[in-house]
Amino acid sequence: NAGVTQTPKFQVLKTGQSMTLQCAQDMNHNSMYWYRQDPGMGLRLIYYSASEGTTDKGEVPNGYNVSRLNKREFSLRLESAAPSQTSVYFCASSPGMGGGFYEQYFGPGTRLTVT
Amino acid sequence: SQQGEEDPQALSIQEGENATMNCSYKTSINNLQWYRQNSGRGLVHLILIRSNEREKHSGRLRVTLDTSKKSSSLLITASRAADTASYFCATPTGTASKLTFGTGTRLQVTL
Repeated sequence: NAGVTQTPKFQVLKTGQSMTLQCAQDMNHNSMYWYRQDPGMGLRLIYYSASEGTTDKGEVPNGYNVSRLNKREFSLRLESAAPSQTSVYFCASSPGMGGGFYEQYFGPGTRLTVT
Repeated sequence: SQQGEEDPQALSIQEGENATMNCSYKTSINNLQWYRQNSGRGLVHLILIRSNEREKHSGRLRVTLDTSKKSSSLLITASRAADTASYFCATPTGTASKLTFGTGTRLQVTL
């Protein structure tokens, strides 16, 4: 079991470039999440998917889009990167459809720098 | 907006001592979770305590929950250098489809 995997691990973008962060889980979990972590801010939820075929906005969705490709995969897209999106991005998954009732399993993170 | 807030923000202790960190939250919850994050890594789930539980143990970890005070504490006994990490509490929000994390307590355990 690999758990939750994320690619890439590191990425540097120029302002205005686009990219997609990939996330996959092999635990047959229903719910998946994308967070960003900035110094002193804790984790902030960007988007989540309570089940395959559904996605919802979190606390900081502006500038991002997501796709729940299938039960395993949940991608995060930055259409036009901005320096304010420099952060560490974490994907997570949890069993069940009410993510707040279950523990979450996190990937290793993607460190993104936008210049 | 933050649902959970950890206290203290940073804690430095020597190996073998106990470490206590606290979490306060604002609204009624059905559970509270604690996570650990080692430097440069993803978060790891430590323990989940439900609203009808007052205390829960897992190895050297002891978590308490006081719903009347809307607070929880995480105690790490006989700390080790490997316990050096940031610790976060998390509570369900909205329709409980997601968690909100606090800003964390940074624990430094020195030899």
